[in-house]
Amino acid sequence: DGGITQSPKYLFRKEGQNVTLSCEQNLNHDAMYWYRQDPGQGLRLIYYSQIVNDFQKGDIAEGYSVSREKKESFPLTVTSAQKNPTAFYLCASSPRGSDYGYTFGSGTRLTVV
Amino acid sequence: GENVEQHPSTLSVQEGDSAVIKCTYSDSASNYFPWYKQELGKRPQLIIDIRSNVGEKKDQRIAVTLNKTAKHFSLHITETQPEDSAVYFCAAAPTGTASKLTFGTGTRLQVTL
Repeated sequence: DGGITQSPKYLFRKEGQNVTLSCEQNLNHDAMYWYRQDPGQGLRLIYYSQIVNDFQKGDIAEGYSVSREKKESFPLTVTSAQKNPTAFYLCASSPRGSDYGYTFGSGTRLTVV
Repeated sequence: GENVEQHPSTLSVQEGDSAVIKCTYSDSASNYFPWYKQELGKRPQLIIDIRSNVGEKKDQRIAVTLNKTAKHFSLHITETQPEDSAVYFCAAAPTGTASKLTFGTGTRLQVTL
């Protein structure tokens, strides 16, 4: 499935809950990214990591947190501070920075109920 | 930071016609420009990319052109087929290990019979 796996495919969150989206890659890529996709707004960067134990905020980091304890894994937590979390979340990885193109996961659709 | 604008937001063409999608970017340091295709319910996939030392690149029915002076680049699809129907995203980034892609807002291409 392209070497990068996101789970779950669908996720439902109650108001006030934190939820964690999983992203795992076996491509030996150094860099990993989280994007949020909303209709008509393209892909907006939440967080990215170029190396283990290091990550940077993207354009819309508020209400989200990440960790990068292993090269293969880059989980995203959507906290209760994120007021409008309903969206399609895409994880991506690349060998070295972004000038080699990204490989995307199949996405997680998060819905607040 | 980088800002990428993409036009049109929707495009409908008849099968066999050509389609052109245009993007402009703001950061003169950007020198990597990929295009992604996202079919309904699927992950974005890289279809072609261009670096700033090249003005044009072709891959079968797909071509990308770049004008660094004007800071714009375009995707050209010739002899369109129904399977070309999808959302297309342009992106831009400076090269380097700390770089990250900034995406346009997407173009929904519909190829009609």
